Amino acid sequence: GAGVSQSPRYKVAKRGQDVALRCDPISGHVSLFWYQQALGQGPEFLTYFQNEAQLDKSGLPSDRFFAERPEGSVSTLKIQRTQQEDSAVYLCASSFLGRLTEAFFGQGTRLTVV
Amino acid sequence: GQQVMQIPQYQHVQEGEDFTTYCNSSTTLSNIQWYKQRPGGHPVFLIQLVKSGEVKKQKRLTFQFGEAKKNSSLHITATQTTDVGTYFCAGPGEQAGTALIFGKGTTLSVSS
Repeated sequence: GAGVSQSPRYKVAKRGQDVALRCDPISGHVSLFWYQQALGQGPEFLTYFQNEAQLDKSGLPSDRFFAERPEGSVSTLKIQRTQQEDSAVYLCASSFLGRLTEAFFGQGTRLTVV
Repeated sequence: GQQVMQIPQYQHVQEGEDFTTYCNSSTTLSNIQWYKQRPGGHPVFLIQLVKSGEVKKQKRLTFQFGEAKKNSSLHITATQTTDVGTYFCAGPGEQAGTALIFGKGTTLSVSS
């Protein structure tokens, strides 16, 4: 596609509900990153894939967060038993050659947990 | 762990004034990238600096990478209202296989 596509753009979840956020990276991009951005803050790293391999998941805040990229393209970030503190914008980015090259961001998914 | 810090957090200027944001890393960086995020938007890549002491210009924007490759700056000459947004610097994590680490950003507002 022309750019990184994320869906849904907005998600309201009741506390305790599970959510799944989808990211379609730019075709051919090897690396895919997930970031969490709270209001007025910079993107905080969550996890990083190179093709289908999850190379770094050190930023995932708890075991309620899980990400996958089974075929090295589309990725899904799943949050189980959502809490209010999970409310944020979740940004997905992809790049051709990893962390040393330009990252292209999607529009993000704004998650609100009520 | 590795940290990327930016100052100031906020800056308000009158249109036509200059603006500078500074980025400092706790570790030496192989490269540094700058992104701009407009209100309600997503980060958009501006530039990447790789060499020690490197200076790059994009119209009214001047980017500099420090000699020790631990700091960087972005200077905007004669700001315009279109420059409004948050400017982030980002550097690769220390270890291979880790992702870009972003600073908290400098939010620029411009009044005409």
